[in-house]
Amino acid sequence: DGGITQSPKYLFRKEGQNVTLSCEQNLNHDAMYWYRQDPGQGLRLIYYSQIVNDFQKGDIAEGYSVSREKKESFPLTVTSAQKNPTAFYLCASSILGSSKNIQYFGAGTRLSVL
Amino acid sequence: AQKVTQAQTEISVVEKEDVTLDCVYETRDTTYYLFWYKQPPSGELVFLIRRNSFDEQNEISGRYSWNFQKSTSSFNFTITASQVVDSAVYFCALSEGGKFSGGYNKLIFGAGTRLAVHP
Repeated sequence: DGGITQSPKYLFRKEGQNVTLSCEQNLNHDAMYWYRQDPGQGLRLIYYSQIVNDFQKGDIAEGYSVSREKKESFPLTVTSAQKNPTAFYLCASSILGSSKNIQYFGAGTRLSVL
Repeated sequence: AQKVTQAQTEISVVEKEDVTLDCVYETRDTTYYLFWYKQPPSGELVFLIRRNSFDEQNEISGRYSWNFQKSTSSFNFTITASQVVDSAVYFCALSEGGKFSGGYNKLIFGAGTRLAVHP
């Protein structure tokens, strides 16, 4: 079955540590996105990528980094510079980065600070 | 400015009741798209519907229906004869197609409405 796989489901970060969230899709989509969800709030865009080896900052990119070496993969690193990393992180993909295209989401990774 | 407002934070109903989730949006573009997503307790966002700004026809899909009114900038979602499985957080989102979109598919989400359906 085609879909988006995020791992791990739960992740804990120690002070000063970088952690990486995995996102893999087998939908053959060109565009991929990372969102952050905080309680009682909508999703906010962290980074997006429309093509391999290219990505752009979203609204809240500070303290995060990404890479897009393969079409199927778009990992997100939460760096020690992100002072409030506790949140639910969702990865999405779409056919192309066009406004009409539907974004499909993974099941998310819940990140907590120890 | 682009904005999506879901004024209802939480709604609680008893099974078989009808319930309407409100969504009001703001945009400068004439071309835009509106979406509804469902987020069950598992966390994954599930796509429900997409509507473009030029299509004001209401849509019905089983127990779900959507009412799009450009005059009031609203895109409301009604669940008829609600069921326990409808319990979830529902998000309304806006995507702009014109010059303000920044050239990519940026979704602006509302804060979500948590629906609890009790037996």
